[in-house]
Amino acid sequence: EDQVTQSPEALRLQEGESSSLNCSYTVSGLRGLFWYRQDPGKGPEFLFTLYSAGEEKEKERLKATLTKKESFLHITAPKPEDSATYLCAVQAANNDMRFGAGTRLTVKP
Amino acid sequence: NAGVTQTPKFQVLKTGQSMTLQCAQDMNHNSMYWYRQDPGMGLRLIYYSASEGTTDKGEVPNGYNVSRLNKREFSLRLESAAPSQTSVYFCASSEEYSRAGYTFGSGTRLTVV
Repeated sequence: EDQVTQSPEALRLQEGESSSLNCSYTVSGLRGLFWYRQDPGKGPEFLFTLYSAGEEKEKERLKATLTKKESFLHITAPKPEDSATYLCAVQAANNDMRFGAGTRLTVKP
Repeated sequence: NAGVTQTPKFQVLKTGQSMTLQCAQDMNHNSMYWYRQDPGMGLRLIYYSASEGTTDKGEVPNGYNVSRLNKREFSLRLESAAPSQTSVYFCASSEEYSRAGYTFGSGTRLTVV
């Protein structure tokens, strides 16, 4: 069965303190791995899609990377406005999409 | 750009009551989805519609029904609400094989007492 596990569940950083979030997955034929940002009381907002091992995508202070078993979301010099829950999802070859439980990131000024 | 619009935003039901959650998208997407989100769990698919006129069960369909009214609208109905259906419900839409993931609505927070 396809599985997505995100760690840690919660992460507290000081402003400027870089770190990484992890998304480990098992899937029958990876069609794509997706990262979303979710603010409290709102729906998830799309950030990146990664398709193959070795691929990287960047957006402002965020960089997503992909291996055959996991993906990392690196946050460089985070700001308080980066505080949110970050969700990872994998899409299998049969188009089924499975979401992880998310990592709740808090960045303190 | 409205994107995906869900109504209502909040609802409290008594056990056994029924209600319909409404969802509409204005992006001309073929595929639409209903998810529920519970603390400590990932988004779980309830039902989806790959195109107008078709619907299929997801991971957790029991206790729910859906209607794809037209290309824009996809509704979720709880016929007899149970406390286990207390959750936040999200509607989403996408193009088939989209590289841009799903576009989500802002959610409906449902409490069943």
